[in-house]
Amino acid sequence: AQSVTQPDIHITVSEGASLELRCNYSYGATPYLFWYVQSPGQGLQLLLKYFSGDTLVQGIKGFEAEFKRSQSSFNLRKPSVHWSDAAEYFCAVGTNFGNEKLTFGTGTRLTIIP
Amino acid sequence: DAMVIQNPRYQVTQFGKPVTLSCSQTLNHNVMYWYQQKSSQAPKLLFHYYDKDFNNEADTPDNFQSRRPNTSFCFLDIRSPGLGDAAMYLCATSRETGGNSPLHFGNGTRLTVT
Repeated sequence: AQSVTQPDIHITVSEGASLELRCNYSYGATPYLFWYVQSPGQGLQLLLKYFSGDTLVQGIKGFEAEFKRSQSSFNLRKPSVHWSDAAEYFCAVGTNFGNEKLTFGTGTRLTIIP
Repeated sequence: DAMVIQNPRYQVTQFGKPVTLSCSQTLNHNVMYWYQQKSSQAPKLLFHYYDKDFNNEADTPDNFQSRRPNTSFCFLDIRSPGLGDAAMYLCATSRETGGNSPLHFGNGTRLTVT
């Protein structure tokens, strides 16, 4: 079975600084990888996804993520964060077995300071 | 805009008093999911429908039931809510099951049990 680890429970970043959120997965084949964002009191919104092809994927709100097979990682990055980026971020992994569900990581809470 | 709508946003019920949460979608997706999310945790899948086929997760308590009368609507029934059932309940849809079909979430219903 697949699993996802987000090593950082909470990260604090200054507004305008760069951001990297870590995600590591465990799966025997190439997984489908996702990042979702959840603002306080809201549902989850898809930021970006990786299925195949170019390992650097662009998402909404200026985010990008890079799939690194050798490191089993799919880290999320943003060059310059805005106060509105304060939220919970979830990495998720899916597989190519038809009835398998997404497996979510435990999330990373991002705080932005002025 | 096509979307997933959950009502109500906030629901208060008494211990042991049945409660129903509702979800509707305009995406015409085949699959509808119900997740439970407790504070600072990842969403936990309770069950899903593929069209009219109901799929329960093995560890979902019998206290939780669901109905999907048509493609657009899905309901979560909690027969006898306990204090431990206080959580955010998220409805999501996807075009297909399988790891490469992204989830589209509603904004959730926050359930309080008094």
